[in-house]
Amino acid sequence: DQQVKQNSPSLSVQEGRISILNCDYTNSMFDYFLWYKKYPAEGPTFLISISSIKDKNEDGRFTVFLNKSAKHLSLHIVPSQPGDSAVYFCAASSAGSQGNLIFGKGTKLSVKP
Amino acid sequence: KAGVTQTPRYLIKTRGQQVTLSCSPISGHRSVSWYQQTPGQGLQFLFEYFSETQRNKGNFPGRFSGRQFSNSRSEMNVSTLELGDSALYLCASSLGGRGADTQYFGPGTRLTVL
Repeated sequence: DQQVKQNSPSLSVQEGRISILNCDYTNSMFDYFLWYKKYPAEGPTFLISISSIKDKNEDGRFTVFLNKSAKHLSLHIVPSQPGDSAVYFCAASSAGSQGNLIFGKGTKLSVKP
Repeated sequence: KAGVTQTPRYLIKTRGQQVTLSCSPISGHRSVSWYQQTPGQGLQFLFEYFSETQRNKGNFPGRFSGRQFSNSRSEMNVSTLELGDSALYLCASSLGGRGADTQYFGPGTRLTVL
């Protein structure tokens, strides 16, 4: 049973527009959420995270929103750039199991010039 | 700071053999976690080591084992290799404290079992 779900396998957006990647989770014990960007045959690169005590975190063009009641988080990229094209993974952890990240299956983002 | 390094980057083995993968964490990080990535299962947690002790373990058979040294470097061993063990093996390091703890990943080791 998937505890972290990314229901959109792919997303295509135009350069300069907003990219919104979504993630749902089922385990209410999760208290820390992260987004990673990954290219084929490389390790994931950390982008941004959010603790469950917050509902928003910003870092440059990247903003993560957390809706605990809906068990939903989203990553907004504004403006999108062709270099953002990659697979994006949502991950979650819970207190006491921080070393164990539960990953979604990923969303492939394509940003077209 | 140097990032997480993994060696070797590529490995080809045959069924029944064993393999050892190595991971050097970011300086100052005390936790090392290992993950397996396959096209069908995605990224799955193998185990985590902190201060030379296994702190968390995923749902993998006992053929998968690991250890951590006093300098926080970690090794992962897979014995009696099976075709299904072909995957990208990733290690990640973090400070290891309780609470929000961000993991940083290495480039991975691509293991092919023939």
